[in-house]
Amino acid sequence: EAGVAQSPRYKIIEKRQSVAFWCNPISGHATLYWYQQILGQGPKLLIQFQNNGVVDDSQLPKDRFSAERLKGVDSTLKIQPAKLEDSAVYLCASSPNQETQYFGPGTRLLVL
Amino acid sequence: QQQVKQSPQSLIVQKGGISIINCAYENTAFDYFPWYQQFPGKGPALLIAIRPDVSEKKEGRFTISFNKSAKQFSLHIMDSQPGDSATYFCAASDPRTGTYKYIFGTGTRLKVLA
Repeated sequence: EAGVAQSPRYKIIEKRQSVAFWCNPISGHATLYWYQQILGQGPKLLIQFQNNGVVDDSQLPKDRFSAERLKGVDSTLKIQPAKLEDSAVYLCASSPNQETQYFGPGTRLLVL
Repeated sequence: QQQVKQSPQSLIVQKGGISIINCAYENTAFDYFPWYQQFPGKGPALLIAIRPDVSEKKEGRFTISFNKSAKQFSLHIMDSQPGDSATYFCAASDPRTGTYKYIFGTGTRLKVLA
């Protein structure tokens, strides 16, 4: 079974630029999550989708972050404009049952 | 109340020794407690998980001990190996909202010396 795919793996941008990350979950997984993992910390949930609907975006900085999940499969997370404090690893996870989550390798973002 | 406190921050163990990582929580509504293992440059991978109706769960060299009254749970790695060197995260899930959102601990960096 293929795992969660994410791209790009690394991204370096200047502050105030925009960036987008892509996630392809495990086939058949209805629930998709985006996490932010700052160096030395545990992952923090940004947004959770059930199929293509948002079920929790309470910790998403909506003034600069946006996310969508088209057709209930792939998802993109966008940051516009980026700030220095957005430097982190962005992890995508999917789940078949909302209980066990399977993580992708992450996208490491550096904002200069 | 939504925090999960994890300790120690880092741990060095000799090969063959026992590694113990502890987590504590306040929210009694949490009902699912997974442990994740993360290698550098990789995403977290589920290691083992437990529910509060069980006091212990063992899978191979990995054991979760759960103390519901103390609101604590711990991961024991028996016969620790250099390949176990990674960062370990505990997490807790609150099903009440229907989202099963994970709250992660801050992580423990384990190094097993050969």
